[in-house]
Amino acid sequence: QSELTQPPSTSGTPGQRVTISCSGSSSNIGSNFVSWFQQLPGTAPKLLIYSNNQRPSGVPDRFSGSKSGSSASLAIAELRSEDEADYYCATWEDSLNGWVFGGGTKLTVL
Amino acid sequence: QVTVKESGPVLVKATETLTLTCAVSGFSLSTARMAVTWIRQPPGKALEWLIHIFSNAEYSHTPSLKTRFSISMDTSKSQVVLTLFDMGPVDTGTYYCGRMIWDYTNGWVFDLWGQGTQVTVSS
Repeated sequence: QSELTQPPSTSGTPGQRVTISCSGSSSNIGSNFVSWFQQLPGTAPKLLIYSNNQRPSGVPDRFSGSKSGSSASLAIAELRSEDEADYYCATWEDSLNGWVFGGGTKLTVL
Repeated sequence: QVTVKESGPVLVKATETLTLTCAVSGFSLSTARMAVTWIRQPPGKALEWLIHIFSNAEYSHTPSLKTRFSISMDTSKSQVVLTLFDMGPVDTGTYYCGRMIWDYTNGWVFDLWGQGTQVTVSS
């Protein structure tokens, strides 16, 4: 069971906007930055969002992140077929001095 | 080009020892405010943080590893070696190494992942 809670799956049609939630606690999301990773089928995860809402160079601005209290969200606007992937939230867990991940959300583009 | 790459055996027998190497390129393991992290992903399951080693050679690990591991860093070879003892079927999965960097503005950022290496533990 993951420390962070994400919906197992979500879906949308091309052009739509979808959001993925990530719920944690005061010792992880509540007191640390949240990152999001995209894992395309058969590939390694890739950093999508860091520091709650920052995009690394090369990540389209269709992807955005937010955080409020002990929860965070990833929004994907103008959905494309190539966005079909697993998405993971992650943050630092103070009690572990390490990372905790969400269980992952599988995004299907219909 | 900044990269990390994992290597190790594909198949390990139960109770045996697994040795994985993370070779880094384009940056130094002695860089301050930097760490190399190991993440495991069982087949069809979520990512799980295992351990990281900081540039000062200190490390933190997930409690589930208990004492079943060792980790070392060879700065001259630009390699981090993770050893897991007494492997079991639950250790089957893809093992990723990656880089974490820290700054005052953004905290820890896991900015670089390797391609992963698949390990199967046979009984």
